[in-house]
Amino acid sequence: GAVVSQHPSWVICKSGTSVKIECRSLDFQATTMFWYRQFPKQSLMLMATSNEGSKATYEQGVEKDKFLINHASLTLSTLTVTSAHPEDSSFYICSAPKGMNQPQHFGDGTRLSIL
Amino acid sequence: RKEVEQDPGPFNVPEGATVAFNCTYSNSASQSFFWYRQDCRKEPKLLMSVYSSGNEDGRFTAQLNRASQYISLLIRDSKLSDSATYLCVVSFSGGYQKVTFGIGTKLQVIP
Repeated sequence: GAVVSQHPSWVICKSGTSVKIECRSLDFQATTMFWYRQFPKQSLMLMATSNEGSKATYEQGVEKDKFLINHASLTLSTLTVTSAHPEDSSFYICSAPKGMNQPQHFGDGTRLSIL
Repeated sequence: RKEVEQDPGPFNVPEGATVAFNCTYSNSASQSFFWYRQDCRKEPKLLMSVYSSGNEDGRFTAQLNRASQYISLLIRDSKLSDSATYLCVVSFSGGYQKVTFGIGTKLQVIP
């Protein structure tokens, strides 16, 4: 069964709206979670590393003020796309490793469409 | 040069065929290697980890060649359900490491 849950799976909203995506580890504690974005026919690109109890680490070129990450508990990280615009439309996926040097387990992903 | 390179394909093979994918990585200090499978519009799912000694899981065999910095995935007796994109994933550091994905190789198994 799933070990990482992501919600919602699909969002369609108007330009300018802020959208929050949740990522939960279901049967383990995740001090670190990762947020990715995937555009059509492209590879997953890491956006940021979410660290429980501290600030997220953003990859180069990712605006931290636009993509707000909060990792307030050991089982939940949230990504908020603030004032979303059509170019933010993409497939957003979170992942978490169950332990050190362990493979990543992915959430189901969130397909975001901004009109 | 990309950190992880894969031939995007598509590889169109008949049912029952054997198919192999390669993936090269640029960082010789890479520590962990995985193959993931991603179906269209779905999240990646772990297929198998790749170990230095090579490992097999049913019809799937993974190999790692550190000297040449590539990993491979061999699929024997291809099934229609094997049709998917296969992602090569490499970790460059230990601990709760970030990973880098290849673009993926698309496989289409034809009846």
